[in-house]
Amino acid sequence: KAGVTQTPRYLIKTRGQQVTLSCSPISGHRSVSWYQQTPGQGLQFLFEYFSETQRNKGNFPGRFSGRQFSNSRSEMNVSTLELGDSALYLCASSPGDGGIGYTFGSGTRLTVV
Amino acid sequence: AQSVTQLGSHVSVSEGALVLLRCNYSSSVPPYLFWYVQYPNQGLQLLLKYTSAATLVKGINGFEAEFKKSETSFHLTKPSAHMSDAAEYFCAVTRNTGGFKTIFGAGTRLFVKA
Repeated sequence: KAGVTQTPRYLIKTRGQQVTLSCSPISGHRSVSWYQQTPGQGLQFLFEYFSETQRNKGNFPGRFSGRQFSNSRSEMNVSTLELGDSALYLCASSPGDGGIGYTFGSGTRLTVV
Repeated sequence: AQSVTQLGSHVSVSEGALVLLRCNYSSSVPPYLFWYVQYPNQGLQLLLKYTSAATLVKGINGFEAEFKKSETSFHLTKPSAHMSDAAEYFCAVTRNTGGFKTIFGAGTRLFVKA
């Protein structure tokens, strides 16, 4: 059974640019959550998508957005990049029941210069 | 608001010694509780989970955790540390707030000395 696939693995962008990250969850999983991980702030919840609908969101500015497609694949977009957006972005897949726990992808390492 | 507190950002043990990583949560309702492990340059891997079936939960790699409602704790233990256990460990709480939202603790980095 294939795991959670995140692409790309590494990304370098310039301030002011925008970026799109992709996540393919485990087959059959309908929920995709996104987290930002930094040394200073730890793991911060961005949003959760379930069956193409955003079901929950964290406290991030509107520059951070996401979507989910009918095949459960998800993308997140960050516009007008800032230096502080440099982080490891993790995608977490689950069936949709909070009691199961997540399967994480390996993450996308975004560096903003 | 729910929160997760992991006591000790770094824990160092000798190989073969007991591992104890502490986690306390704040919640008015018993939540779902989890422990995850993260190795360098990788995502998180689920170690074990508490979902109210049993208070002592066994996970992978010899780890276990005990849910104590009176203490709002969910500490992670392993009787004998191995070098391969060196990693960062995260405690997490999931609540259903109209959609499932999981809050992670700050993490504890475990060092294992030979």
